[in-house]
Amino acid sequence: DGGITQSPKYLFRKEGQNVTLSCEQNLNHDAMYWYRQDPGQGLRLIYYSQIVNDFQKGDIAEGYSVSREKKESFPLTVTSAQKNPTAFYLCASSRSPAGGAGEQFFGPGTRLTVL
Amino acid sequence: GDSVTQMEGPVTLSEEAFLTINCTYTATGYPSLFWYVQYPGEGLQLLLKATKADDKGSNKGFEATYRKETTSFHLEKGSVQVSDSAVYFCALSDSSYKLIFGSGTRLLVRP
Repeated sequence: DGGITQSPKYLFRKEGQNVTLSCEQNLNHDAMYWYRQDPGQGLRLIYYSQIVNDFQKGDIAEGYSVSREKKESFPLTVTSAQKNPTAFYLCASSRSPAGGAGEQFFGPGTRLTVL
Repeated sequence: GDSVTQMEGPVTLSEEAFLTINCTYTATGYPSLFWYVQYPGEGLQLLLKATKADDKGSNKGFEATYRKETTSFHLEKGSVQVSDSAVYFCALSDSSYKLIFGSGTRLLVRP
């Protein structure tokens, strides 16, 4: 079955540590996205990538980094510079620009907790 | 910039009641509009979408009509079930790759 996988489902990190969240898709989608969701709030865009080896900052990119070396993979690193990293992180992908009625498909999410 | 405003929740209903979740938007162009649903501990799933004015999106008994004159895309269902309990997000897309989400509305359906 085609879809998006995120791992791990739960992740615990000590303060001062970097941590990388995995996102893989087998939908052959060009575009991939990372969102952050805080309790009772909507989704905020961290980074997005329209094509391999290219990515752009979203609305809250500070303290995060990404890479897009393969079409299928878009890992997110939460660095120690992110002051409040505890949140639910969602990865998504889309076949075409969202403005062309292209919906985004979401993974199951990773819940990151900083201890 | 573009934005989406949803009614605050939680919305609490009894089973078989009628549901409306209001959504209005601000956009400079002609966006596509979406409703996504999030069940506890999961990612988002597309519920329905509409790409131009007067389009009606529908799925699983849910409906929403793209109203350009009122810049609205309200979600409705005639008879809710306990299994509809979830958080519902209204979203729009402009000419870019990005989706802009509302803050979400939690729906609780009691037996």
